[in-house]
Amino acid sequence: QLQLQESGPGLVKPSETLSLTCTVSGGSISRSSYYWGWIRQPPGKGLEWIGSMYYSGTTFYNPSLKSRLTISVDTSKNQFSLKLSSVTAADTAVYYCARQHYNWNPEINWFDPWGQGTLVTVSS
Amino acid sequence: QSALTQPASVSGSPGQSITISCTGTSSDVGGYNFVSWYQQHPGKAPKLMIYDVSNRPSGISNRFSGSKSGNTASLTISGLQAEDEADYYCSSYTTRSTPGVVFGGGTKVTVL
Repeated sequence: QLQLQESGPGLVKPSETLSLTCTVSGGSISRSSYYWGWIRQPPGKGLEWIGSMYYSGTTFYNPSLKSRLTISVDTSKNQFSLKLSSVTAADTAVYYCARQHYNWNPEINWFDPWGQGTLVTVSS
Repeated sequence: QSALTQPASVSGSPGQSITISCTGTSSDVGGYNFVSWYQQHPGKAPKLMIYDVSNRPSGISNRFSGSKSGNTASLTISGLQAEDEADYYCSSYTTRSTPGVVFGGGTKVTVL
């Protein structure tokens, strides 16, 4: 059964870079049938798609975050990562990683399964 | 990318049916059959309930059903049970600005 686990610092200072890693177990990140995505949820608020990546390097980013965002993959470690630069308090959220299904073209689609999420707080 | 529009809350009594709407545009909900729904209990990760408008993943109760008409998708929960009390989010593939994914603002379902 595929499992995903987020890891990284729980506290980041304003203006610094938020870095998180998602470790995938129970399946290969290089499998061609899926994208791999990041989603976040500020405390008490709704879900926001951050971005998605194919193992070969193709990425889709949320336009509102694109200028600060990098998503990368390390197939040798079966991991993918998120870097968000110049963070502010507005970036405080629970960050989730998830496997993402897609249709041909590609049209990135639903997320399943999800990691348990990790809270990242931006504060000095 | 603007969020899809969902009602903030919906409530019903045990055994009743409720429907949650999710309104978008022709660039997302109306243009593609790539709408999904997620259930989220407090402190837990979201769980996929419906994909591609009306398909249920393995293990999801047939009390949950999805549909779409024009730019509005809907999730119906029939035979409402106490454990259905949770937040529900819709999501869709979108081409509003760049290709991507957009979520709804979420709906709190309360079982009275």
